[in-house]
Amino acid sequence: EVQLVQSGAEVRKSGESLKISCRCSGCSSTRHWIGWVRQTPEKGLEWVGIIYPPDSDTRYSPSFQGQVTISADKSINTAYLHWRGLKASDTGIYYCARLISTADFDFWGQGTQVTVSS
Amino acid sequence: EIVLTQSPATLSLSPGERATLSCRASQSISNYLAWYQQKPGQAPRLLIYDTSTRAIGIPARFSGSGSGTDFTLTISGLEPEDFAVYYCHQRDNWRGTFGPGTRVDIK
Repeated sequence: EVQLVQSGAEVRKSGESLKISCRCSGCSSTRHWIGWVRQTPEKGLEWVGIIYPPDSDTRYSPSFQGQVTISADKSINTAYLHWRGLKASDTGIYYCARLISTADFDFWGQGTQVTVSS
Repeated sequence: EIVLTQSPATLSLSPGERATLSCRASQSISNYLAWYQQKPGQAPRLLIYDTSTRAIGIPARFSGSGSGTDFTLTISGLEPEDFAVYYCHQRDNWRGTFGPGTRVDIK
């Protein structure tokens, strides 16, 4: 059974750093990309970026390039989303999800609520 | 970046009725279009990918069609569990975007 388990909710202040995680059981470390999607009431679902854990090949949305860093530890089938200087506009629910061969997301994590106060 | 627009924003229908949801891309995306369903407090669920292929476990009442820039999700007879928000998603060149969603409400 495929399961993506994300780290818990976070509350931070503007300017602080943060790293959230997503562990995938049932993912093949040699086959599956892992992606991140943000959801906010204002903008709905936003595609953040994806990573291929075997070689850390990463693709970012232009909207998120330079704002976040996606990394992975293939030995433990875990992907990460990292901010160095949070802004209030980073507030939202962040989902990780597994990509199938067509680059669509078939299994999703439960979501991590990130709240940033200014 | 490819922009997706969805219409209508809200669709109010009764159980058993047919729902037709539209998604338009700002440029051609071949058939690289997927549909997701999301219910309150839950993560999205993949329904359709590659325009018309149902994901594993998705009932046959869900169907997708289209190509290029215009796509449609049809729910042939709404069940109570189908009232939710539906998003289209494109992943051209392995960089994706989502549409703003269509809410299907009970009339």
